[in-house]
Amino acid sequence: TQLLEQSPQFLSIQEGENLTVYCNSSSVFSSLQWYRQEPGEGPVLLVTVVTGGEVKKLKRLTFQFGDARKDSSLHITAAQPGDTGLYLCAGNSGTYKYIFGTGTRLKVLA
Amino acid sequence: DAGITQSPRHKVTETGTPVTLRCHQTENHRYMYWYRQDPGHGLRLIHYSYGVKDTDKGEVSDGYSVSRSKTEDFLLTLESATSSQTSVYFCAISETSGSNYNEQFFGPGTRLTVL
Repeated sequence: TQLLEQSPQFLSIQEGENLTVYCNSSSVFSSLQWYRQEPGEGPVLLVTVVTGGEVKKLKRLTFQFGDARKDSSLHITAAQPGDTGLYLCAGNSGTYKYIFGTGTRLKVLA
Repeated sequence: DAGITQSPRHKVTETGTPVTLRCHQTENHRYMYWYRQDPGHGLRLIHYSYGVKDTDKGEVSDGYSVSRSKTEDFLLTLESATSSQTSVYFCAISETSGSNYNEQFFGPGTRLTVL
């Protein structure tokens, strides 16, 4: 069974601080996605990483796929209250089929 | 926003009763998914569909069945609801791309409480 573990599970930080969220598995994934979910809504895709070692940037968010394609990280620089939400990673476990991570709930305090 | 609606948005039911949740899309996407979301578990796939009348099980399919008779509708049925099925249910859609990964678009969710 493929599993994706995220850490930390909860994170509360002050505006302007940096943070990193981790997504780890013992399985290899052909691609990995990061989603953000706000209360009362469905998740929204932020990025997809495909190649081992790949780094993608989305404004203040930096995503990295591990060299072995078993793990990924999300780094946020100078966090803002608008970054508050639930961050989910999702690994491609088959054609158009995904396994989601356990989630990291981030709260950024003004 | 992708055209995905879920109905009902909230439902309270009693143990042992049947429940059907509906997902409707206006995007003509091929793939449709049902997930449940519970604290500490992220999203878990219940069933998915890769075309009309083509469905397959996900990781937590026990106690659930699905049907897709039209491209735009994907129904999730709990034949006899149990308290362990209290959850928030999300429908998602996606379309074929040139690679084997694609973006999933999620509906607003249905909060189901089984008493």
